[in-house]
Amino acid sequence: GENVEQHPSTLSVQEGDSAVIKCTYSDSASNYFPWYKQELGKGPQLIIDIRSNVGEKKDQRIAVTLNKTAKHFSLHITETQPEDSAVYFCAASWQAGTALIFGKGTTLSVSS
Amino acid sequence: EAGVAQSPRYKIIEKRQSVAFWCNPISGHATLYWYQQILGQGPKLLIQFQNNGVVDDSQLPKDRFSAERLKGVDSTLKIQPAKLEDSAVYLCASSPNSGNTGELFFGEGSRLTVL
Repeated sequence: GENVEQHPSTLSVQEGDSAVIKCTYSDSASNYFPWYKQELGKGPQLIIDIRSNVGEKKDQRIAVTLNKTAKHFSLHITETQPEDSAVYFCAASWQAGTALIFGKGTTLSVSS
Repeated sequence: EAGVAQSPRYKIIEKRQSVAFWCNPISGHATLYWYQQILGQGPKLLIQFQNNGVVDDSQLPKDRFSAERLKGVDSTLKIQPAKLEDSAVYLCASSPNSGNTGELFFGEGSRLTVL
């Protein structure tokens, strides 16, 4: 079955810096890759996703890149703000609408 | 639009006792998921329903866990008897059927502590 590895497990940056979180997946049949943000005591919330026919997608300060050949995808957050502090999860599935396999999460801390 | 509702938010039980969690998905969402999130880990799928039918329960420990979604709306997840390793947050999520963007909408979770 699918396995998703996520690195790093913790990331500390200064406000205004960029943050990058990387994930690798094992199943070459996977073609949907979302990123979720989880704040303390809340459920995960989708922040951006990408499908396998797209190499990069951007939404304001966040972007996701996908390398299907290497089977890895990354989340990029620019101009980080304290409110970006949370746990971020990458996930993969063989198509949108099917169950997601999540990575173990990255705790991002943005200090002002 | 109301989000995914879960109850109770917190539950503490002794090992070998039973517990039940309830989930009401977003109105009109055909697909419902239960995930288990152990502290410091990502959510792990337990069971996926499409309307009131089971799509995937391959990772549900069926000797102690059961779930149902009567009438294709709300759902209950039961654990009996509970073990220490069942301490986790149980997340319910739902997604629409038609025009599916792939987004899962999560509830705030039910935190279970087994002593």
